Amino acid sequence: KAGVTQTPRYLIKTRGQQVTLSCSPISGHRSVSWYQQTPGQGLQFLFEYFSETQRNKGNFPGRFSGRQFSNSRSEMNVSTLELGDSALYLCASSSGTGGIEQYFGPGTRLTVT
Amino acid sequence: KNEVEQSPQNLTAQEGEFITINCSYSVGISALHWLQQHPGGGIVSLFMLSSGKKKHGRLIATINIQEKHSSLHITASHPRDSAVYICAAYLGNQFYFGTGTSLTVIP
Repeated sequence: KAGVTQTPRYLIKTRGQQVTLSCSPISGHRSVSWYQQTPGQGLQFLFEYFSETQRNKGNFPGRFSGRQFSNSRSEMNVSTLELGDSALYLCASSSGTGGIEQYFGPGTRLTVT
Repeated sequence: KNEVEQSPQNLTAQEGEFITINCSYSVGISALHWLQQHPGGGIVSLFMLSSGKKKHGRLIATINIQEKHSSLHITASHPRDSAVYICAAYLGNQFYFGTGTSLTVIP
């Protein structure tokens, strides 16, 4: 089985721009979660999608949004980028919800200048 | 306020040493995970625990529900074990993460 894939792997954007990141889960997995990792804050939960519905959202501003498609692929969008949004964005898929084992993608390294 | 506290933050060991990483959480959780992150960012799930103890090769994870504490042990450490180890507690439909322990094993 192919693992979780994320595109792009690296991205450089300018303050004020918006960005869309993509995540393709393991085949058959219906849950996709997104995380932000920074040196200062560590790993933080952004949101989780299951069967195209957002199940939960972390403590991030409304500039961060996401969606999931019928094939379980997910995208996250960040609008009006700020310097502090520079981070590694990771997605993880699992076969269900409820804190079961998650399989992480390689991440997208976003740099905002 | 951190729901999950992890220690130590950094750890250097000689090859062959026994290593322990600790994780404490503040409220009742439904599951606790140990993750391994190598340079470059890739994260691998090592263990998922809700009670007791699990072992995989040289890695052992334990959890004490009453004391709200979990430990990850590495026996006979090896340089390839050098990585960041992160505990993650599942609470209220989301994961809360420890700050990570950066482990360096010297040959």
